[in-house]
Amino acid sequence: EVQLLESGGGLVQPGGSLRLSCEASGFTFSSYAMSWVRQAPGKGLEWVSGISGSDISTYYADSVKGRFTISRDNSKKTLYLQVNSLRAEDTAVYYCAKVIDDFWSGFLNWGQGTLVTVSS
Amino acid sequence: QSALTQPASVSGSPGQSITISCTGTSSDVGGYNCVSWYQQHPGKVPKLIIYEVNYRPSGVPDRFSGSKSGNAASLTISGLQAEDEADYYCSSCTTSSTSVFGTGTKVTVL
Repeated sequence: EVQLLESGGGLVQPGGSLRLSCEASGFTFSSYAMSWVRQAPGKGLEWVSGISGSDISTYYADSVKGRFTISRDNSKKTLYLQVNSLRAEDTAVYYCAKVIDDFWSGFLNWGQGTLVTVSS
Repeated sequence: QSALTQPASVSGSPGQSITISCTGTSSDVGGYNCVSWYQQHPGKVPKLIIYEVNYRPSGVPDRFSGSKSGNAASLTISGLQAEDEADYYCSSCTTSSTSVFGTGTKVTVL
C-alpha cells in the first residue's frame, strides 16, 4: 500500500523559512516523479513544484519560483520542499503527491498534508 | 499561469447525468492529453478519478468519464449518486513544464 507522510509544517513569521518532508513507502520511490500541491484554507488546489524520479528535473509554479526548492533523497525515500521568504499568501495545507504514470499524467496518491501558517 | 476555468457549481438529481467543463488554452488543455480530474470531499484529501483525459484509475466507477475538445475538457458523472456530492478539480500540464488546476466546481446532489 502506498503511503505518503508529510511533516515540517507550522507557524512561521513572514519572511521565515521551513523545510517540509514527505516520507514515502509501498512503492519504488526512485521510479516516480513527485509533486507538491497546496490548498489555502477554503480555497482550491494549486500545484507548487515537481521533481523527476532521478532528481534531474525540477519545476516550479511562478508564484514560488526563486523562493521554494524541491529535492528528494531516493535512498531515504523522502521528498522535500524548502520554503523560504514566506508570505501570508503561502498559508496553506501542503500535500505531497505521487504521479500515476508519466510526470504529468495525474496525481494518484496523496499524503494527508501538513499545514503551513504564515503570520506575525 | 492562470487557473483553468470551471463553473462554480453544478447540481443534479440522483440518477441524472451532469457535466463539468474545464476551459483552458492551447498552451495547456488544448496542447496536451494530460488532463486529469480530482474529487475532494470536505476535509478530505483529493482523489484522482480521471487521468490523461479519459482513463480511470483502478477502483473508480465507470459512471465517471472524461473527454476533451479543443481547449476544453469535460467530466461527466452518469447516474448521479448522493456520495458524488463533492468539489471537483481539473488539471493540465502546460507548455511551461508546470501543472495548473482548475478553479473548482461544487457538485450538489438535489
